[in-house]
Amino acid sequence: AQSVTQPDIHITVSEGASLELRCNYSYGATPYLFWYVQSPGQGLQLLLKYFSGDTLVQGIKGFEAEFKRSQSSFNLRKPSVHWSDAAEYFCAVRVERTGNQFYFGTGTSLTVIP
Amino acid sequence: GAVVSQHPSRVICKSGTSVKIECRSLDFQATTMFWYRQFPKKSLMLMATSNEGSKATYEQGVEKDKFLINHASLTLSTLTVTSAHPEDSSFYICSARAQVVGEQFFGPGTRLTVL
Repeated sequence: AQSVTQPDIHITVSEGASLELRCNYSYGATPYLFWYVQSPGQGLQLLLKYFSGDTLVQGIKGFEAEFKRSQSSFNLRKPSVHWSDAAEYFCAVRVERTGNQFYFGTGTSLTVIP
Repeated sequence: GAVVSQHPSRVICKSGTSVKIECRSLDFQATTMFWYRQFPKKSLMLMATSNEGSKATYEQGVEKDKFLINHASLTLSTLTVTSAHPEDSSFYICSARAQVVGEQFFGPGTRLTVL
């Protein structure tokens, strides 16, 4: 069965520090991979996505993610975190075989301290 | 990018009443729409997939008679929570898939509180 794992439930970083949020997926082929951010009480905002090609993808708000096939990972990174980045982050996989259904990770809550 | 709206954004209702939530794709045609439920501090759980003009496909464990989904047009899907109870209180999010493969856009969500 397809699954998405975000090992870190909660991460706290200082403003200006670098950030890496982990995401691992379980799927037989290369899926479509996404990172979304959700502020409290809000919907999902797409940060970036990977379909094919260059394994390092750039997204909005200074985020980037790297697809590593050998590790079945798609970790999200940002070199310098801003206080406004505090939110919930979801990694998601879209699987064509199941009608393009999305599978979401359990999310990582990011706290940014001044 | 494409915009998906949901209405209402928040709704409070009494136990036993029915609530309808609308999901609209504003500037594209959505052949498929998805409904998710999100519990506090939890991830999104897919409830059902609806295709325009056909019956929705529900995920295992989701009561189709309780969560009625109608996808009457290429821009509108509705989720009706029938005879709502406090345990139905949740954040409901829809998404719409454009005809362009791989693109799916999420609505802002609807907070349902059942008293």
